[in-house]
Amino acid sequence: GQQLNQSPQSMFIQEGEDVSMNCTSSSIFNTWLWYKQDPGEGPVLLIALYKAGELTSNGRLTAQFGITRKDSFLNISASIPSDVGIYFCAGAIQGAQKLVFGQGTRLTINP
Amino acid sequence: DGGITQSPKYLFRKEGQNVTLSCEQNLNHDAMYWYRQDPGQGLRLIYYSQIVNDFQKGDIAEGYSVSREKKESFPLTVTSAQKNPTAFYLCASQEGALSTDTQYFGPGTRLTVL
Repeated sequence: GQQLNQSPQSMFIQEGEDVSMNCTSSSIFNTWLWYKQDPGEGPVLLIALYKAGELTSNGRLTAQFGITRKDSFLNISASIPSDVGIYFCAGAIQGAQKLVFGQGTRLTINP
Repeated sequence: DGGITQSPKYLFRKEGQNVTLSCEQNLNHDAMYWYRQDPGQGLRLIYYSQIVNDFQKGDIAEGYSVSREKKESFPLTVTSAQKNPTAFYLCASQEGALSTDTQYFGPGTRLTVL
């Protein structure tokens, strides 16, 4: 089945640094979603993207739907301690019945 | 308050016992999903349902069963046939059956089999 390659798998950064992560696929997707999961909790939707080239922000978070429709990027600016967690990308193909998830990027922030 | 509830938050069971995890949503969503998450891993789809009284197997359905008798409820039973049931279980729902609709997650149930 389809797979999403999410990278990096983990990041260790200093508070205040900017963060970038991405997801790539060999398949074309019609929707890209970015979720954040805190320890022991369910993932929470951060940003949804529906159009190739779309750039959407949510506070310090910015995500882009790649122009080829095979990738997506998430950037976090000026990281703060509460940004710690696991970030998942998910993609949807038109007509498919389920999402495809990336393996997640674990973000750790040193104060 | 609209949302997805899963209960209990933590569940302990003895090996060989069946256990049922609850998932309820009051969002009037058509589709519901069950995922399994192991430490350091992504989400793996167990079962999903796009309409009442119908459901489909996901990628790792063996050892699990579900029912969808009501739109708002999608309970998951972890049977004794599941070889390694200890995991974090997540329920999700989305408004329509199209995968391009946005999925929302519940808080999860951590199942530990002793």
